[in-house]
Amino acid sequence: DAGVIQSPRHEVTEMGQEVTLRCKPISGHDYLFWYRQTMMRGLELLIYFNNNVPIDDSGMPEDRFSAKMPNASFSTLKIQPSEPRDSAVYFCASRTGTSGSDSYNEQFFGPGTRLTVL
Amino acid sequence: AQSVTQPDIHITVSEGASLELRCNYSYGATPYLFWYVQSPGQGLQLLLKYFSGDTLVQGIKGFEAEFKRSQSSFNLRKPSVHWSDAAEYFCAVGANRRGDYKLSFGAGTTVTVRA
Repeated sequence: DAGVIQSPRHEVTEMGQEVTLRCKPISGHDYLFWYRQTMMRGLELLIYFNNNVPIDDSGMPEDRFSAKMPNASFSTLKIQPSEPRDSAVYFCASRTGTSGSDSYNEQFFGPGTRLTVL
Repeated sequence: AQSVTQPDIHITVSEGASLELRCNYSYGATPYLFWYVQSPGQGLQLLLKYFSGDTLVQGIKGFEAEFKRSQSSFNLRKPSVHWSDAAEYFCAVGANRRGDYKLSFGAGTTVTVRA
């Protein structure tokens, strides 16, 4: 398996622009998570989905952030308009939903997207 | 809600020396516990995990961790550190509750390995 795929790996944009981050989870995983990592706040959960439905978005910082999962193999995190304080590394992770002999509750992380907002 | 504390922000260790990273969790029942490692510019990789059973857990890359319920701890250890172990290490806790799949991560411990 290719693992969790994120694109782009790096994004540099100017304040006020719209930014879209993309994630392809591991095939067969029915939970998808978006995290943000900064020096000041560490690794924060923004939102997670189960079977394409948002379950908990309490970590989304404000209305400028939105996330969608139109199908089981694709999710986006959008920031509109972007601000310099949104600069961070954004990670996507996925996992299976069923308990089994292995991998229950283990989340598999993508390589991240490093976002810089000037 | 569950939470994790990693008391050490940064640890420097000599190559070949032993390493221990501390992790304390807060949760009302037996939690799911994890250690992840993040190399510079990379995503997080799972080192090991604990759910139940033997409290000493073996992981990849020669790491092990011990769950101590009485101390609410899940410390990570390695007997002999290699230069390639220089990275940031995260302890995480998950609820032992069906349908609640959020993980709470500690702030991380950065490990520097000196020759």
